[in-house]
Amino acid sequence: RKEVEQDPGPFNVPEGATVAFNCTYSNSASQSFFWYRQDCRKEPKLLMSVYSSGNEDGRFTAQLNRASQYISLLIRDSKLSDSATYLCVVNAQFRSGTYKYIFGTGTRLKVLA
Amino acid sequence: SQTIHQWPATLVQPVGSPLSLECTVEGTSNPNLYWYRQAAGRGLQLLFYSVGIGQISSEVPQNLSASRPQDRQFILSSKKLLLSDSGFYLCAWSESGVTEAFFGQGTRLTVV
Repeated sequence: RKEVEQDPGPFNVPEGATVAFNCTYSNSASQSFFWYRQDCRKEPKLLMSVYSSGNEDGRFTAQLNRASQYISLLIRDSKLSDSATYLCVVNAQFRSGTYKYIFGTGTRLKVLA
Repeated sequence: SQTIHQWPATLVQPVGSPLSLECTVEGTSNPNLYWYRQAAGRGLQLLFYSVGIGQISSEVPQNLSASRPQDRQFILSSKKLLLSDSGFYLCAWSESGVTEAFFGQGTRLTVV
C-alpha cells in the first residue's frame, strides 16, 4: 500500500463547478497534513494546511478524518486558474525522531470554459 | 520573510559528468532542509534531508550525495551522472518537519 494515495484524475470540470479530491494515508502516527498545488513544470506551492476540525480558505475547504486516515479538499466555484495538480502531503517521523513529508502522486484538475 | 533560492533552473549534462546543485534559504535559522526528485509524471521522492550543519540522511541508495556546509546551504552532488538521474530536483525547507514546507523553484536536469 502506498503511504499516501490519491486518485490521479484528470478531473475535467466546467467553470463554476464544485469538485472534491480525496486522499488516504497509511501512517496513523502522522501529525501534519497539507494540500499543495503544482502547476505544470513548476514547484509545489502550499495551498493550505489541514486541521482536525476542518478549515476553509475562500473557495477551498479541507477536511481531515483521523479515524479513517482520510483527507479531502473541496473547491467551490471552480475558476480556469484552478487548473493544476493537487498534491496531498502527510508528514511522517523517521526513526531518528525527525520528520519528513510524504507526497501523494497528485490529482490533476482541468477547469473548462 | 523567508525565501529559498535554488539554481540553476535548467541543466543539460552528459552521462558521466559531475553535478552540483545549490540551495540557500534566507530569513530563518537552523531550518530542516530536503532534496526531492520528481521524475516525469511521477510523485516527489525524498532523496536527502538535513536537520543541521553536516547532518545528512539519505532516504534511498543512489548515485547522488548531499552536503550542508553552512546552516542555510544545501548542496546536491554527483560524481558521475547516469541517464536515470534526469528529473526535476526540488529543494525545500521547513522549521520543524511538522509545519509546512516551502520549495525552491527547482532544477530540471536532463542527462544526455
